[in-house]
Amino acid sequence: KAGVTQTPRYLIKTRGQQVTLSCSPISGHRSVSWYQQTPGQGLQFLFEYFSETQRNKGNFPGRFSGRQFSNSRSEMNVSTLELGDSALYLCASSSSNGGYNSPLHFGNGTRLTVT
Amino acid sequence: DAKTTQPPSMDCAEGRAANLPCNHSTISGNEYVYWYRQIHSQGPQYIIHGLKNNETNEMASLIITEDRKSSTLILPHATLRDTAVYYCIVRVGHSGYSTLTFGKGTMLLVSP
Repeated sequence: KAGVTQTPRYLIKTRGQQVTLSCSPISGHRSVSWYQQTPGQGLQFLFEYFSETQRNKGNFPGRFSGRQFSNSRSEMNVSTLELGDSALYLCASSSSNGGYNSPLHFGNGTRLTVT
Repeated sequence: DAKTTQPPSMDCAEGRAANLPCNHSTISGNEYVYWYRQIHSQGPQYIIHGLKNNETNEMASLIITEDRKSSTLILPHATLRDTAVYYCIVRVGHSGYSTLTFGKGTMLLVSP
């Protein structure tokens, strides 16, 4: 079974631009979560989607948004990029209703650099 | 999610068992203990999880104390490829919510 696929793997943008990252979950997984990882803050939860609905959201500004499609694929968008948005963005999927007994499986992330 | 405490770093000789401890003294009855690891520049990799009983899979064993206040992840025969940051996470039993709160983890260095 293929794992979680994230594209692109690397991205360089300039301040003020916007960016869209893509995530394809493991086949059959309906829950998709996004995390941001930086050296200073570690791994931080952004948001989680299940059946095209956002179920939970972390403490990030409104510039960070996401969506999920009917095939469970997900995208996240960051508008008006800031230097501090440089990070590894990770997508994770889990099976069925994504409950507490369902492990999250992560992709290898998109490395975003903002200059 | 309950807070966890892990040593910042550990060393292990190749071929020996690596025993990674985790304290979670404030864990509640419905919280699972999860272990992930992250190799540099890759996403976190799920290893194992458990609630009360000890668990074993092809990667590792998880030993949870009877009072559930601590646990140990055991890699029975560590290899150089097991060098990674290991995260112990306790996850509250809310149905439908998939968030994980990562701490700083333990950097495990496996040496020849």
